[in-house]
Amino acid sequence: GESVGLHLPTLSVQEGDNSIINCAYSNSASDYFIWYKQESGKGPQFIIDIRSNMDKRQGQRVTVLLNKTVKHLSLQIAATQPGDSAVYFCAESPGYRDDKIIFGKGTRLHILP
Amino acid sequence: NAGVTQTPKFRVLKTGQSMTLLCAQDMNHEYMYWYRQDPGMGLRLIHYSVGEGTTAKGEVPDGYNVSRLKKQNFLLGLESAAPSQTSVYFCASSYSQTSGTTDTQYFGPGTRLTVL
Repeated sequence: GESVGLHLPTLSVQEGDNSIINCAYSNSASDYFIWYKQESGKGPQFIIDIRSNMDKRQGQRVTVLLNKTVKHLSLQIAATQPGDSAVYFCAESPGYRDDKIIFGKGTRLHILP
Repeated sequence: NAGVTQTPKFRVLKTGQSMTLLCAQDMNHEYMYWYRQDPGMGLRLIHYSVGEGTTAKGEVPDGYNVSRLKKQNFLLGLESAAPSQTSVYFCASSYSQTSGTTDTQYFGPGTRLTVL
């Protein structure tokens, strides 16, 4: 079956450095990918998304890269701040306006002072 | 605009008791979802709804029932709670036909349920 996984369960980054969180997906038919941020005690919050017809998309301090050849997704956070401490989930959807999204297990980002 | 709200925020039940979790959204979204989140398991879909009056099973539906009588509300019921249902429950909604926005799911703050 389909699975969405992460290479590292915990990532520690110095404040001010760039963070890169990786994700592997197994369903080559997936069309839509999303990154969520979940702070302690809160629900997941949308960060950025990308469709399979793109390989890069930028937001405010965040960039998502999609490599369909190796089925790999990454989230880059520029100039990491203490407020970026959270668990980050990647998620995939098999099709446009499909009604189900498959979530990965999450990576915890820890910011070092 | 409150987004997605959930009640209650916390609840403790005894085995065999029943309860209903309420999710409400004011974004006019068509789709709504119930997830559970357990340590090391990520988010798992329990049930979902693609419109008022319709529901469907997700990945882990056993022991739960849902209803979508109004577009803005999605109820999750536990008829006979079991300790295995101790979890954090999140509701989400997505897809607005009028705004034509993306399919991003917007989540509520969660309900922490403990079954003794």
